[in-house]
Amino acid sequence: SQTIHQWPATLVQPVGSPLSLECTVEGTSNPNLYWYRQAAGRGLQLLFYSVGIGQISSEVPQNLSASRPQDRQFILSSKKLLLSDSGFYLCAWSVLVNTGELFFGEGSRLTVL
Amino acid sequence: KNQVEQSPQSLIILEGKNCTLQCNYTVSPFSNLRWYKQDTGRGPVSLTIMTFSENTKSNGRYTATLDADTKQSSLHITASQLSDSASYICVVSARRGLTGGGNKLTFGTGTQLKVEL
Repeated sequence: SQTIHQWPATLVQPVGSPLSLECTVEGTSNPNLYWYRQAAGRGLQLLFYSVGIGQISSEVPQNLSASRPQDRQFILSSKKLLLSDSGFYLCAWSVLVNTGELFFGEGSRLTVL
Repeated sequence: KNQVEQSPQSLIILEGKNCTLQCNYTVSPFSNLRWYKQDTGRGPVSLTIMTFSENTKSNGRYTATLDADTKQSSLHITASQLSDSASYICVVSARRGLTGGGNKLTFGTGTQLKVEL
């Protein structure tokens, strides 16, 4: 069966520090991968998605970047965190790009102080 | 602009009671609509998917309806349990052309349901 792992679960970082959130999927090949951010009282916001190794699409211009060094690995990064980067980050994968069900990781709670 | 609005924003019911959550959308062109359940501090999990031709679909005590004409969907929970306490998120998918990529989804802000004894 397929599983998705995301870490760390919680992170407290000072403003200006770097960030690296990692996500891996097991039990499937060539998944579509996504990074979402969920702010309190707001819907999930798509940050990045990837349909293959090295292929990254950004939906929202921001202080973050994403990379897919391996087929089932997706990394969310920042060189210098801002206060506004605080939030709940969710990694997800799907089989189909346009209509497929999303399978989410457990989420990473980031607090920037 | 594609939008998904959910109501109520929050809801408290007694264990064993039924409830109905609403979702109105303006997403076009419509592809499908999913309801997700998100427990506090966890990732969302899909409950059901509704396509254009489907009016009603059940998944255990969860029943989803879709009216594509009025662009409304509802999620009915029967005989609620304490474990139903969660945020319920309506997600509508828009079709993209052959040259498009990615998952063009619009998320509602969710209905926070609390089931009490």
